Amino acid sequence: AQSVTQLDSQVPVFEEAPVELRCNYSSSVSVYLFWYVQYPNQGLQLLLKYLSGSTLVESINGFEAEFNKSQTSFHLRKPSVHISDTAEYFCAVSGNEKLTFGTGTRLTIIP
Amino acid sequence: DAGVIQSPRHEVTEMGQEVTLRCKPISGHNSLFWYRQTMMRGLELLIYFNNNVPIDDSGMPEDRFSAKMPNASFSTLKIQPSEPRDSAVYFCASSRQGQARETQYFGPGTRLLVL
Repeated sequence: AQSVTQLDSQVPVFEEAPVELRCNYSSSVSVYLFWYVQYPNQGLQLLLKYLSGSTLVESINGFEAEFNKSQTSFHLRKPSVHISDTAEYFCAVSGNEKLTFGTGTRLTIIP
Repeated sequence: DAGVIQSPRHEVTEMGQEVTLRCKPISGHNSLFWYRQTMMRGLELLIYFNNNVPIDDSGMPEDRFSAKMPNASFSTLKIQPSEPRDSAVYFCASSRQGQARETQYFGPGTRLLVL
């Protein structure tokens, strides 16, 4: 069985401040890890993913996440957020064909 | 590419009526997934298909729900009869293959309200 925990349901952050969205997972097999983003009234879209190799993965819009096997974590970070980053962020784990999502973290940017 | 297409985008119906949601996956994708999103339960996988064959329907809430994929370019999710607790946003997603490492591409969703 696999599961994902996103402890923070909401994270308010001032514009241009750094942010970290936390994600922990559990799985009995090797996993692939994903962050998806959902903008208001839209479907989810992939932000970044870890499959193998370097434990630090980056997205094109400045987000990065680090796979930490010993802590079973895959936290998402950005050094400076913008208003356009306002969205809900979902961490997901895949150890078989099924993708298991966390409950999501709503990121709100304060001007 | 047009992306995953879902219809209708919004559906309002009365309790007891049949509801059919439609999905066209990205051309060339062999796997299709149906999800339901609610405030209370988050994002739930209902069923997924590989090469038009249902692989896992353990997430389908009850017999009122059924899903079909008659060909590689079309899938339906049917609720009969519908109930107010079925109100949710239903997403369809597709991926190139049914493998754990593949990215899933989501449609815009169908917002269903059952009165």
